[in-house]
Amino acid sequence: GAGVSQSPSNKVTEKGKDVELRCDPISGHTALYWYRQSLGQGLEFLIYFQGNSAPDKSGLPSDRFSAERTGGSVSTLTIQRTQQEDSAVYLCASSLGGMYNSPLHFGNGTRLTVT
Amino acid sequence: AQSVAQPEDQVNVAEGNPLTVKCTYSVSGNPYLFWYVQYPNRGLQFLLKYITGDNLVKGSYGFEAEFNKSQTSFHLKKPSALVSDSALYFCAVREGGSNYKLTFGKGTLLTVNP
Repeated sequence: GAGVSQSPSNKVTEKGKDVELRCDPISGHTALYWYRQSLGQGLEFLIYFQGNSAPDKSGLPSDRFSAERTGGSVSTLTIQRTQQEDSAVYLCASSLGGMYNSPLHFGNGTRLTVT
Repeated sequence: AQSVAQPEDQVNVAEGNPLTVKCTYSVSGNPYLFWYVQYPNRGLQFLLKYITGDNLVKGSYGFEAEFNKSQTSFHLKKPSALVSDSALYFCAVREGGSNYKLTFGKGTLLTVNP
């Protein structure tokens, strides 16, 4: 079956521009996560959705970052006024909600480069 | 707060030898532990998990992990390494309660030499 789909796979943008990253989770997965992966930094948690609500957005680095999820499915991560330190791979994952033993299923990520 | 430590940035082993990738964790309640693997330019793939029960957990591609509560460790092991096992490995922990956040370690780069 279809896995987690992220688009675009690569994005190059100029400093100061806004970008939108999209995630389409596995059908039926109510939980959705955004992580950021930088070289040597591992995976940094950004935000978690259960349905359309975000019980934990503690990882968003600044108010330039925001995310929404509509219809309990597709999610968009928006970065406003991008900075060079935003360059990273942004990973989306989904899982069956409400189950601690449910593993996350990851997309292939969006590689963001801010020039 | 939950946290994970992977003390080795890199592990090198010869093909055919046993491999161990180390992971220790910290949670305030019962841990739910996971291992993921990332091949170059790919997303993370789930390998195995520990929820409860037997301390030795078996997963994909011949990998297994041993849960040790007293040492708060969850080391990944494989009896005989393959060159194709070369990848970046991540340990992750989630604690119970209302928090479904999965916290990852910084990753360990495993290189298996022919």
